[in-house]
This record gives sequence, structure tokens and C-alpha cells, in this order.
Amino acid sequence: GAVVSQHPSWVICKSGTSVKIECRSLDFQATTMFWYRQFPKQSLMLMATSNEGSKATYEQGVEKDKFLINHASLTLSTLTVTSAHPEDSSFYICSNGPAGTQYFGPGTRLLVL
Amino acid sequence: SQQGEEDPQALSIQEGENATMNCSYKTSINNLQWYRQNSGRGLVHLILIRSNEREKHSGRLRVTLDTSKKSSSLLITASRAADTASYFCATDASGNTGKLIFGQGTTLQVKP
Repeated sequence: GAVVSQHPSWVICKSGTSVKIECRSLDFQATTMFWYRQFPKQSLMLMATSNEGSKATYEQGVEKDKFLINHASLTLSTLTVTSAHPEDSSFYICSNGPAGTQYFGPGTRLLVL
Repeated sequence: SQQGEEDPQALSIQEGENATMNCSYKTSINNLQWYRQNSGRGLVHLILIRSNEREKHSGRLRVTLDTSKKSSSLLITASRAADTASYFCATDASGNTGKLIFGQGTTLQVKP
């Protein structure tokens, strides 16, 4: 299956700073990638659809100005959490793959102090 | 938004026993998938069942789908301690774009 990497695997930052998370598709050209967020002991919630070369599509309730998504190439999508607050602390996971089969990255754990 | 419910939320069994997890969803779907997540890790795709299929097998896994009831079940037979993980169902209602809506998950503990 497709290999998806994320960087960093974990990050601790101060409140008010911005954090960039990278999602790379190592062996699959992904025109679309998905970003999910998972709070402790909860399920994955879809945040947005990242579209190569165009604007991301955000799910209801997700602030597009706070969670900036850039998908500049077929192998890289980035999620930037701007002006992070403690409530943004979560596990962020990306996915991509051919239709019907999604491959998930290992996740990025964000802790905002 | 969550697509549906999973039950039980938590399940504890002895090694060798079978584990059954159920998932219900709300909208029409193209396919339903089951994933496994070890604590604090990414997701591993287990099995996909299409909306026109009723049952599918993969090794020790058996998945059923009842579109009339909007429900699915995952059966793990002859469980092993290594099966301890969280299991999520996810539905693709978007025309096979890969956009998934996840259930709430079942945490399975298999005691050796």
C-alpha cells in the first residue's frame, strides 16, 4: 500500500505560536489528501480536504483561517495551526490513497502549553 | 461530524475468544471500511466492504454489511493479545473520493 509520512511526529509549542505539520505521500501521487484531528480517547474527525493546486475544502466548524492548508505538489500537503491555543492540542493525522483505500500517516501529536 | 455509533465502546476478552464489534451509520454509502489503531499511532486499514456486498473475509476477520439497517459488524476470530487496539469503522459516502467519516470506535483488550 501507499506510504504516508508525517513530520514532525510530535511537537510542543507555546500558546500563540504557529505550527506546521507536513504530510508526504512517498509512493503515490495524491491530488487529494485529508486531514483529521483526534482528541484523546475519541475518534477521528475530518477537518479538511486538501486539493493539489487549489483551495482546501473545510468541514463545518473548522476555521480555515486558523488551520491553513497548502497542497503545492502531488506529494506534499501541509497543515499550519496558526496562533495555537491549548485547546488545539490533539493528534493530527493525514491520509491519501486511491479511491476507496486510504493510507494514513503515523500522526503528529501537538501539545500547546 | 460523526457518521454513526459503534458498540460496544469497550470490549475485554480472553485470548482465543472471538470479538464482535458493531457499527451503525446514518447516510447512504459507497463502501464501509474498518481500521485498527494501536495506542497513539496511525491507522491501519483492515478491510473494505462495498455497498453491494454483504459479507467479506480476510484471515481472521469477517465483516458483514446490512445496508437496509445501515449497520456493519467486524468479527475477529481466535483473538490474540496482539489484537489489543481500537477499531474504527469508517464510511465513504462521497463517491469514492477517500473522504471518510469515522465511527466512535471500540477499544478491544485481549488478555493473554
